[in-house]
Amino acid sequence: EVQLVESGGGLVQPGGSLRLSCAASGFTFSSYSMNWVRQAPGKGLEWVSYISSSSSTIYYADSVKGRFTISRDNAKNSLYLQMNSLRAEDTAVYYCARDAMVDYWGQGTLVTVSS
Amino acid sequence: AIRMTQSPSSFSASTGDRVTITCRASQGISSYLAWYQQKPGKAPKLLIYAASTLQSGVPSRFSGSGSGTDFTLTISCLQSEDFATYYCQQYYSFPYTFGQGTKLEIK
Repeated sequence: EVQLVESGGGLVQPGGSLRLSCAASGFTFSSYSMNWVRQAPGKGLEWVSYISSSSSTIYYADSVKGRFTISRDNAKNSLYLQMNSLRAEDTAVYYCARDAMVDYWGQGTLVTVSS
Repeated sequence: AIRMTQSPSSFSASTGDRVTITCRASQGISSYLAWYQQKPGKAPKLLIYAASTLQSGVPSRFSGSGSGTDFTLTISCLQSEDFATYYCQQYYSFPYTFGQGTKLEIK
């Protein structure tokens, strides 16, 4: 069974940092591209970042470019999102998501940026 | 960035109705379009990919069509469990973009 389990969310002050993790199981992680997608409270879905299976190709949404860094460790079946210089508008549930047309999603982890 | 526009933004319907949701892309995306269903407090669920391919395990009352810039999601006979919010997403080019969502409510 495919499972994606996010962790690392929480309350952080504006300007602070947080690192999200996503543990993958039930499939060959190294064969799939991965994404982070977020959803602000009561709002729609927003794609955040993409990383190819080998980490050779990475993309970011303009809203997070220069502040967020996506990475993966295929040996540990894990995906990461390092988030720096956090802003109130980054408050959202962050989902780990497999592949371009996302066939599997994690349960999400809530990031709240507030003083 | 490619803008995805869904219509309507919200819609009331009854069990048994046939419902169509439209998604328009600001430029051509071939068939690189997916549809998702999301219920409150849950992660989205993939329904359709490649514009018209039904994801495994999704009931056949869901169907998708279109290519280029205009796409539709049709639910042929609404069931109670179908009342949710639906999103389209293009994965033709980066940044990937979603429609604003269509909330389907019970009449």
